[in-house]
Amino acid sequence: DAGVIQSPRHEVTEMGQEVTLRCKPISGHDYLFWYRQTMMRGLELLIYFNNNVPIDDSGMPEDRFSAKMPNASFSTLKIQPSEPRDSAVYFCASRGGTGDGTNEKLFFGSGTQLSVL
Amino acid sequence: GQQVMQIPQYQHVQEGEDFTTYCNSSTTLSNIQWYKQRPGGHPVFLIQLVKSGEVKKQKRLTFQFGEAKKNSSLHITATQTTDVGTYFCARDNYGQNFVFGPGTRLSVLP
Repeated sequence: DAGVIQSPRHEVTEMGQEVTLRCKPISGHDYLFWYRQTMMRGLELLIYFNNNVPIDDSGMPEDRFSAKMPNASFSTLKIQPSEPRDSAVYFCASRGGTGDGTNEKLFFGSGTQLSVL
Repeated sequence: GQQVMQIPQYQHVQEGEDFTTYCNSSTTLSNIQWYKQRPGGHPVFLIQLVKSGEVKKQKRLTFQFGEAKKNSSLHITATQTTDVGTYFCARDNYGQNFVFGPGTRLSVLP
């Protein structure tokens, strides 16, 4: 397996523009997570899905952020309109879901470095 | 979910010196995970600790889980430049997701 795949690796956009980040989890993983990383706030969980269903989106900063998982192999995180304070590295991660403690580790993608000017 | 704290925030060591980072929680943890993130990279899973007082070793890395399951530590013996990065602990949040600590950034001077 190629691991968790994110695109794009880098995104530079202007304030007010729509940004869409993409993620392909590891095949067979039931959970998908979106994290945001900044120097000030560290690694923050934005939202996570279980079997394509959003379970907890309490970490989503505001209504400008939305996430979807239309199928088991694809998820998007959209920011509309984007603002300079959204600049960060956005990570997608996935894991299996047996809950028996044997496969609960997270596999992270390489991240998307977002810069909003 | 409850947060976990890590100390120190930064650590600079000379190559060959030992390094320890600590992860503390105000509540009892069901388990704790450790991740390493190299500069410019993404977090990579190192280990998971589940049992009270558990000690696990990976080459020069030793991981401990406190008896009360409220703290954990990662100790690196004889650091090398390849150990450079940020080390995160992450606590299980009701078996669904993991909440990450702020991390300890390790610099190793050659």
